[in-house]
Amino acid sequence: DAKTTQPPSMDCAEGRAANLPCNHSTISGNEYVYWYRQIHSQGPQYIIHGLKNNETNEMASLIITEDRKSSTLILPHATLRDTAVYYCIVRAGGSQGNLIFGKGTKLSVKP
Amino acid sequence: DVKVTQSSRYLVKRTGEKVFLECVQDMDHENMFWYRQDPGLGLRLIYFSYDVKMKEKGDIPEGYSVSREKKERFSLILESASTNQTSMYLCASEALYNEQFFGPGTRLTVL
Repeated sequence: DAKTTQPPSMDCAEGRAANLPCNHSTISGNEYVYWYRQIHSQGPQYIIHGLKNNETNEMASLIITEDRKSSTLILPHATLRDTAVYYCIVRAGGSQGNLIFGKGTKLSVKP
Repeated sequence: DVKVTQSSRYLVKRTGEKVFLECVQDMDHENMFWYRQDPGLGLRLIYFSYDVKMKEKGDIPEGYSVSREKKERFSLILESASTNQTSMYLCASEALYNEQFFGPGTRLTVL
């Protein structure tokens, strides 16, 4: 069952912020939000994760709404190398087993 | 930085051959995973391991086996390769908060 909903595709101009939305309206209290991306022909790359507070690392920022039903991944200054499929995944902390990747959002960064 | 390496990026084998895919991680992670990725089917879990000499079947274990003799190394074995095992194989290592770090992938072609 799909636990997240993402737009199938988005465009972003190089140098601009890319804001990728994710809806997870049925998220449980112990579930984290994880973001991954996959550049063509490469393995998925972990980006960031959070529970309820906003998070930032060297790659991106994650903004989670107060009700935790949606989140936004922000790439502050998108480059052509950020063109990839971005996946939003919810999963209980401490759970065992595989990640379930949905269809994700295909982000195209254009010059 | 977490590093997950896989023994080959590209591999071509003949039907019936025994195939070994090696994965090594350098972060002392307990949990390791093998997935395959096919167009339109996303990532599917083959096997995973939570400790040395321990293995659990994933969603599609048929035709595969695994070996985890050392903590850092998780091997996937195709006992008798078949053409329907042509795929991208991805190894992942899992950190404390369930973030999974993937290797670059092995694109296997079985002729």
